[in-house]
Amino acid sequence: DIQMTQSPPSLSASLGDKVTITCQASQNINKYIAWYQQKPGKAPRLLIRYTSTLESGTPSRFSGSGSGRDYSFSISNVESEDIASYYCLQYDNLPYTFGAGTKLELK
Amino acid sequence: EVQLVESGGGLVQPGASLKLSCVASGFTFSDYWMSWVRQTPGKTMEWIGDIKYDGSYTNYAPSLKNRFTISRDNAKSTLYLQMSNVRSEDTATYYCTRVRGAIFDYWGQGVMVTVSS
Repeated sequence: DIQMTQSPPSLSASLGDKVTITCQASQNINKYIAWYQQKPGKAPRLLIRYTSTLESGTPSRFSGSGSGRDYSFSISNVESEDIASYYCLQYDNLPYTFGAGTKLELK
Repeated sequence: EVQLVESGGGLVQPGASLKLSCVASGFTFSDYWMSWVRQTPGKTMEWIGDIKYDGSYTNYAPSLKNRFTISRDNAKSTLYLQMSNVRSEDTATYYCTRVRGAIFDYWGQGVMVTVSS
């Protein structure tokens, strides 16, 4: 199985900050990484697929980049509605595997 | 509007069986692969498996393959997850998801399964 090492586990930010989350895969995943947002008590919401393709409805302050084994997800100008947990998912190889998640909190 | 509504969860004893259902609406169910994903109380996410749009093919996480079975009834727009010989580590919230472009674009609200004596 491909291991996805996501960091940091938690992040504290002020409104308007830029934050970055990283995921490192245990092998090359050919850009097949997606990013999800999950708010408490809610189902995950797909934000980005294939490293950097924003899903319909995803605000442009969200972005993704990377290649090979190393990927990042950023939120520029953090807004209060962005307070949530974020997960990466590799879908290059079965079984699909998730990162452990990053909890974004307000400073 | 795409909707996925899971049911069938609850408290179950170790070693028992349980079948979860997911009723889909708002899209042509028979056009899409579907998948199950679970999230433990510690928030770890785990892909369980998926099923082809016509039900002819399934994939499973190797660790669950021998105990979990995914099926579907396209006439009822319903996805199923049969869980057998459940263990305490199967305690989780189970999500039904639609698959588009190999990943999960819509998720149900989730159904909780608690395995305990």
